[in-house]
Amino acid sequence: LAKTTQPISMDSYEGQEVNITCSHNNIATNDYITWYQQFPSQGPRFIIQGYKTKVTNEVASLFIPADRKSSTLSLPRVSLSDTAVYYCLVGDLPMDTGRRALTFGSGTRLQVQP
Amino acid sequence: DGGITQSPKYLFRKEGQNVTLSCEQNLNHDAMYWYRQDPGQGLRLIYYSQIVNDFQKGDIAEGYSVSREKKESFPLTVTSAQKNPTAFYLCASSISSGRAGEQYFGPGTRLTVT
Repeated sequence: LAKTTQPISMDSYEGQEVNITCSHNNIATNDYITWYQQFPSQGPRFIIQGYKTKVTNEVASLFIPADRKSSTLSLPRVSLSDTAVYYCLVGDLPMDTGRRALTFGSGTRLQVQP
Repeated sequence: DGGITQSPKYLFRKEGQNVTLSCEQNLNHDAMYWYRQDPGQGLRLIYYSQIVNDFQKGDIAEGYSVSREKKESFPLTVTSAQKNPTAFYLCASSISSGRAGEQYFGPGTRLTVT
């Protein structure tokens, strides 16, 4: 079971780039790395997913080193509305009846100040 | 609009009563999931279903039951056997279990048992 470790909290200011790192030393060969954003009392929202190297979309970039034991979510030019909890998810579900849970990390609480 | 609906948003029950939480999706997704979230904590997987009439236990299935009679619906019953049922419950779906990392979440149901 791939356990993930993230910083509990981070602070930033509007307009800055924010990098949140997730450690997942036991990641399996088939595991993808996914990041979610969650606002209070809402369901998480998918941000980005990757397997290796770098992935970029309209809201974020995901950097994954060659050993895949960690990943970094990069949020360019954050705004106040980016204040949320960010979760790193590693794992996948088996196609057989074996039980292997998806692992959400404890999350990183990002606070963006004016 | 495509999406996932959960009802009700808030639910109150007396201890010893079973309660069923509704989850419906019109995304035509094969896989559906139930998570539990406690205050300040990450998400923990209760049950998941890869296809109609099939479901598997997640990490914390004890005291919960599910059914998947229709592709669109995945109700969760919190039974009286669940020792600490008060929590925020989130339902999610993905195109398939092979794309389990990219999940779409509903708005959640906050259950309070007294």
